[in-house]
Amino acid sequence: EPEVTQTPSHQVTQMGQEVILRCVPISNHLYFYWYRQILGQKVEFLVSFYNNEISEKSEIFDDQFSVERPDGSNFTLKIRSTKLEDSAMYFCASRPGQVNTGELFFGEGSRLTVL
Amino acid sequence: EDKVVQSPLSLVVHEGDTVTLNCSYEVTNFRSLLWYKQEKKAPTFLFMLTSSGIEKKSGRLSSILDKKELFSILNITATQTGDSAVYLCAGRSTDSWGKLQFGAGTQVVVTP
Repeated sequence: EPEVTQTPSHQVTQMGQEVILRCVPISNHLYFYWYRQILGQKVEFLVSFYNNEISEKSEIFDDQFSVERPDGSNFTLKIRSTKLEDSAMYFCASRPGQVNTGELFFGEGSRLTVL
Repeated sequence: EDKVVQSPLSLVVHEGDTVTLNCSYEVTNFRSLLWYKQEKKAPTFLFMLTSSGIEKKSGRLSSILDKKELFSILNITATQTGDSAVYLCAGRSTDSWGKLQFGAGTQVVVTP
């Protein structure tokens, strides 16, 4: 069964460093998302991406964050200068383009620890 | 501000018991409510509910939506240890298909 894959599964970084989290969405999907879950808290929406541009972003997604689809398969989340509060599990998700298919398919997540 | 509230926060049951999980929502321009199961990492999809009063069923799991009272329930009958997980519900508005507003989840522990 097709799945969303994410790398790395866990990354430890120093505060102020840049981090890139990578995702390979399901191949025929057209909409891509990043969510995050701080330990013990709710899953929170960060950003949605369609047709090579951001379609919506949350207040969390400030100038330190960026997303990119550099080729036909990868979808990346970059955090330019990490802060302690960026420590979280980051989930990538994708869905097909059909309007009536509302399910989001989530990856296994990338755990980011900022020291 | 949109919000989704789940209850209880956690519960422990014995194998074979039935559990009922609750999800109330306040979502502007509400479109649908989704249930996910989160065992260790990735939330996995269970149900999407759009219409009131129509039960969705998958094996021992079922769910229903009440758009008048703004809540949904997820039932698990004849629970098994493999049902132990965090169950998440999420609301979606018509304005945004991908932006799900998640609740805090209900942790279910099924003991042998």
